[in-house]
Formats: sequence, structure tokens, C-alpha cells
Amino acid sequence: ETGVTQTPRHLVMGMTNKKSLKCEQHLGHNAMYWYKQSAKKPLELMFVYNFKEQTENNSVPSRFSPECPNSSHLFLHLHTLQPEDSALYLCASSQEGRWGGTYEQYFGPGTRLTVT
Amino acid sequence: AQKVTQAQTEISVVEKEDVTLDCVYETRDTTYYLFWYKQPPSGELVFLIRRNSFDEQNEISGRYSWNFQKSTSSFNFTITASQVVDSAVYFCATYPQGGSEKLVFGKGTKLTVNP
Repeated sequence: ETGVTQTPRHLVMGMTNKKSLKCEQHLGHNAMYWYKQSAKKPLELMFVYNFKEQTENNSVPSRFSPECPNSSHLFLHLHTLQPEDSALYLCASSQEGRWGGTYEQYFGPGTRLTVT
Repeated sequence: AQKVTQAQTEISVVEKEDVTLDCVYETRDTTYYLFWYKQPPSGELVFLIRRNSFDEQNEISGRYSWNFQKSTSSFNFTITASQVVDSAVYFCATYPQGGSEKLVFGKGTKLTVNP
């Protein structure tokens, strides 16, 4: 595997379900990100993990719960979602410095989530 | 706060035409980076270019070229002799140097290249 991979690619879940999205990067990067992309809004940054520590939570509802067990893996745990949460969820990684980075982010193919 | 404006929502051209995608950014940072990404129908954002705010030289990569003008806060992207495979949504983004990991995206321009 190369680059950034995401599973599953498509997910349909009910509002009462619990599911998880998985992201894995094979680039040796130290920062990982979750983005939400919906038809109505531009790319929205949700969470940032830098050196496995969460450094950004962009006012995301608690029904989205990130987990970063190591610098290569990132999860997004989902529970009691709403239909408006249906979107493309993109994972990205980059190589950052502890005092601010300047490096481009590499994206995975995304998970197309539909909440029914 | 940073902001990126891509005024062109959708552009449609015929193959072999040249097309320019506009990007205007706002930032209070003195040093920053600018990016262009391509998102084909498959969904994955593909990194195209990063430009440092110190470097205003234009760049050419094959059929792609970028025109960075600090005086007008613009970072425009031109595709020469467009091809059907260039059809995608193109995003411009900015990133402040110095501590924040936030990459701020524009809303994107959907380019359709017709045969």
C-alpha cells in the first residue's frame, strides 16, 4: 500500500448505529487530519493530530470521536449521527515541524458516508 | 483570519483550449504558503503545487503553470491545451507559516473539459 488509504470507501448507517472510519498513511508523516466535505460547504477541517496529540478540534459535535493510536493510523468513531452528517470524509497526512509546519497534505480517497 | 476566494464556480471548455482558474487569498501573515489541489471524480485530493510567499517566480510544469502575484494577492492556475482528463474540481488553499496546522481551502472551481 502506498500513500494514504481509507476504509471503508462507502458506508451507509442508521442514526442509531455505531461505526468507525479508518485511515492509514504509509508516508512516514507525523501529522494526520480529518476533513468533511459536503455539497453545501467547502472542505471543513475537523481534527488535527500532530505527533499523536490532538491539536485541533474545530467545534466538531461529540458524536464524532477521533482516535490516533500511532502516527500512521487515525480513526473516526461515529455514533448517533444525523442525516446532515452525510458527506465525504477525507483523511490527510503531512510532515510537520513541532514549531509549525509548511508541508503539503496528502489525502486519501475518502469515505462516502450516508446516514439514513 | 485567512480566506481563499475562487470566484469561478464552474468552467466549461473544449479540449485543447487554455483555461485559467483564479484564486485570491487574504492573510495577515507575512509568511505563508499557497497550494493547488485537484479533486477528480474519484474523490481523492491530489496535491499539485506549493508556493512560498517569498517566491513570486512563476512556475511551469508541463501543461500547468502558476502565476503568483503578491501585489494582487492572487495565485492563478493555467492549464494549456486542456484535456478531458483535466476535468475535476480544483482547490486553492493557503497555510500560514509558524504554528498553525490549518490549511484553509477555497470553495473550488469545477472544470469540465469537453471532447
